Amino acid sequence: AQSVTQLDSHVSVSEGTPVLLRCNYSSSYSPSLFWYVQHPNKGLQLLLKYTSAATLVKGINGFEAEFKKSETSFHLTKPSAHMSDAAEYFCVVSPLSGGYNKLIFGAGTRLAVHP
Amino acid sequence: DAGVTQSPTHLIKTRGQQVTLRCSPKSGHDTVSWYQQALGQGPQFIFQYYEEEERQRGNFPDRFSGHQFPNYSSELNVNALLLGDSALYLCASSLLQGGPYEQYFGPGTRLTVT
Repeated sequence: AQSVTQLDSHVSVSEGTPVLLRCNYSSSYSPSLFWYVQHPNKGLQLLLKYTSAATLVKGINGFEAEFKKSETSFHLTKPSAHMSDAAEYFCVVSPLSGGYNKLIFGAGTRLAVHP
Repeated sequence: DAGVTQSPTHLIKTRGQQVTLRCSPKSGHDTVSWYQQALGQGPQFIFQYYEEEERQRGNFPDRFSGHQFPNYSSELNVNALLLGDSALYLCASSLLQGGPYEQYFGPGTRLTVT
C-alpha cells in the first residue's frame, strides 16, 4: 500500500530564510508525487508534481522538490520565505489502478512565516 | 478558462437528513473525484467518477453515493447524516488519459451537521 508521512506538523521560519518541509513516501513502484498548498478557507492548489521525468522538480512561487528514491523522500524547499507562504502544505502520492488514480494525502505541515 | 466550481459554499444540516453537493469540472476534464477533509486533517478520498461510472472508492460507507452526468459534472450525496460527516468536501477534476494525473481542486463545500 502507498502512503506518505510528513515529518513535521508545524514549521516556523522568519521571512527571507529558507523553507524545508519534509516528506517520506512508501510505494511498491515508482510513484507520482505532488505537493499541494491550502491557504485558510481556500481550496487546494498544486505547487508541483514529480512523474519520473526529472528528480529535481520546480514549481510555482519559487518552490522546488527533489525526489530521492534511495531515501524515499520528496522534500519541499524554497530559498527565501515570504509572508504569503504561510499556509498548510500537503505531500501527496498517487497510486495508479488501471489508469484511475486517487490521491493519498499526508497529514499536512502548517508553515508559519514571521516578520 | 473556468476552474473547478462547487456549490453550495456552505451548508448546515441536521442529523439524519440527506444532502447533495455539486461540482463542475475544469474545462476539458473528464474525471471527477471527491474528497472529505475533516478539520485539521488531510483530505480523504471518497470516490472517483469517469464516463458516468464510479471507478474507485475509498473507505466510506454506502451512505455516500455519487453521480456523474454526460457533461462531466458530478454530485455527491450523503444520506442519514451523522455529526461526524461535518467537514469540507472537495471536488477535483482531471484528465484520465495521458498523465501525469494531477487533480485540480474546487474551493469546497463546508458541511456542518448539527
